[in-house]
Amino acid sequence: AQKVTQAQTEISVVEKEDVTLDCVYETRDTTYYLFWYKQPPSGELVFLIRRNSFDEQNEISGRYSWNFQKSTSSFNFTITASQVVDSAVYFCALKAAGNMLTFGGGTRLMVKP
Amino acid sequence: NAGVTQTPKFQVLKTGQSMTLQCAQDMNHNSMYWYRQDPGMGLRLIYYSASEGTTDKGEVPNGYNVSRLNKREFSLRLESAAPSQTSVYFCASRGTGIGGNQPQHFGDGTRLSIL
Repeated sequence: AQKVTQAQTEISVVEKEDVTLDCVYETRDTTYYLFWYKQPPSGELVFLIRRNSFDEQNEISGRYSWNFQKSTSSFNFTITASQVVDSAVYFCALKAAGNMLTFGGGTRLMVKP
Repeated sequence: NAGVTQTPKFQVLKTGQSMTLQCAQDMNHNSMYWYRQDPGMGLRLIYYSASEGTTDKGEVPNGYNVSRLNKREFSLRLESAAPSQTSVYFCASRGTGIGGNQPQHFGDGTRLSIL
């Protein structure tokens, strides 16, 4: 069985603060893929990043960075110098064998001016 | 680019009514999915279709049926709506390509309320 846990249900920060969203996953498969999606207040789901289980390199894209650690089964997401437009619900998701994508419960990030 | 299009965007039903949610994608993707999103529970997979002509149950299929009409379209039907099916429904599609599993692309969602 696959499981994704996002322990932080809500985080509130002030603009320009750095914030890290945690994601812990469980799977017995050795080949799997991890994703982060953003859901802004308008409701659509926006794909942010994909990482496969064989690539533990961290990734940086502008103010966003991701830290993948197989040893702790974690795929954490950091926003540097947060902005009000970063306010959204962020979902971590896991795809292992088969066709199903398992989502975590989401973390609501509120960035206050 | 249209991507994944869902109709309707909003719907209110009475208990026992039937309803079909429509989804179409223009990205030539093989796989399509239906999810429901409830507060605090993330997205849960209802049904999916790995390719035209095939459908499979997901995590929460009870009370729903699906039809993969063709490669572009994947509909979700509630035969006898119940208040527990009040939710936001998302359709998604995914292609296959070089480099491993491709991400799913989502529609804007259908907000369904059942009274």
